[in-house]
Amino acid sequence: GESVGLHLPTLSVQEGDNSIINCAYSNSASDYFIWYKQESGKGPQFIIDIRSNMDKRQGQRVTVLLNKTVKHLSLQIAATQPGDSAVYFCAAHAHNTDKLIFGTGTRLQVFP
Amino acid sequence: EPEVTQTPSHQVTQMGQEVILRCVPISNHLYFYWYRQILGQKVEFLVSFYNNEISEKSEIFDDQFSVERPDGSNFTLKIRSTKLEDSAMYFCAGRGDYSTEAFFGQGTRLTVV
Repeated sequence: GESVGLHLPTLSVQEGDNSIINCAYSNSASDYFIWYKQESGKGPQFIIDIRSNMDKRQGQRVTVLLNKTVKHLSLQIAATQPGDSAVYFCAAHAHNTDKLIFGTGTRLQVFP
Repeated sequence: EPEVTQTPSHQVTQMGQEVILRCVPISNHLYFYWYRQILGQKVEFLVSFYNNEISEKSEIFDDQFSVERPDGSNFTLKIRSTKLEDSAMYFCAGRGDYSTEAFFGQGTRLTVV
């Protein structure tokens, strides 16, 4: 079946540095991708999304890059802050379905 | 800012008992979902619901599970006879008609003992 996986379970960065969280997906029919942030005891919170007809999208301090050739996407967080500490999930959506396939999550730890 | 509200936040139930998890989606949303997350694992799709019927379900969503939107506002997930392995966080989500962004609730932690 289709899968979405993150490369690292934990990422530790120093406050102010840039963070890069990577994700791979298996279904080439995936046409829409989302990055979610999940803080302890809360539900997934939308960060940024990208459609398969794009390879880059920028938000406030966040950038998502999509490489369809190798089925890989990444989330870049600029000037990481303590409030960015959370588990980050990528999720993929295929055009013929209404469900999201989530990856396993990367825990981002920001230290001073 | 509108939000998806789930109740209860934590439910403890004995194995074999029925539970109903409740969700109040954002008012203008039309598509509704239940996902679950077993502790330490990924978020898994259970079911999607549109126009008062199930549009898609996963293999997890067997005959023990059901969903309904009885009064046009609440969206419920019922587990008829809970098993230990049903212990998880259950998230309700919804989206509008012309949006692909799904908004998630805070979740209900279900503990089956």
